[in-house]
Amino acid sequence: DSGVTQTPKHLITATGQRVTLRCSPRSGDLSVYWYQQSLDQGLQFLIQYYNGEERAKGNILERFSAQQFPDLHSELNLSSLELGDSALYFCASSPLGEKLFFGSGTQLSVL
Amino acid sequence: GQQLNQSPQSMFIQEGEDVSMNCTSSSIFNTWLWYKQEPGEGPVLLIALYKAGELTSNGRLTAQFGITRKDSFLNISASIPSDVGIYFCAGPSFYRGSQGNLIFGKGTKLSVKP
Repeated sequence: DSGVTQTPKHLITATGQRVTLRCSPRSGDLSVYWYQQSLDQGLQFLIQYYNGEERAKGNILERFSAQQFPDLHSELNLSSLELGDSALYFCASSPLGEKLFFGSGTQLSVL
Repeated sequence: GQQLNQSPQSMFIQEGEDVSMNCTSSSIFNTWLWYKQEPGEGPVLLIALYKAGELTSNGRLTAQFGITRKDSFLNISASIPSDVGIYFCAGPSFYRGSQGNLIFGKGTKLSVKP
């Protein structure tokens, strides 16, 4: 158990809808990262927050947004969903540096 | 851009055999990380390497930071069924706005036959 909690584990929705994925980092970790894993693209970095502030951005679509709350949990919002958004979404946390601890992921299926 | 190329893409081996896999890039990395992902789980950090030439072990796993800083290797000795999974190499991005965040290879999928 990495200590990173993600909910829900599975999410099935329709195109055009909006969903919210939730992540609770390991106790004491200030950084939260979101990654997307798909068969063709592999693990892709989306966005990082540090202590409530956006720190870095990767290949995140404009339809996607995230935030980190004062209690350090984070949410990833995906809107106007398309079939191609179906993927595993991982949250990771770290105290400092590159050692990331990943949650078990949310499997998103857009039908 | 920065890319990590892993080989082989997949391996089918007999229990007890040793395994070697590698990760290469056209860019220099200052840190190499090796992760393992099992079905239904997120990647788990196995080994972190911080210096060219460094050789680090974690049980039956040994990883090396290549001298050129453009490659890294992971070896598993005397494989067992629970070694099954996908092994990813990763290194920090140096792109502005994304600095420090990890770039992952596409993975090496390991299957072990008992």
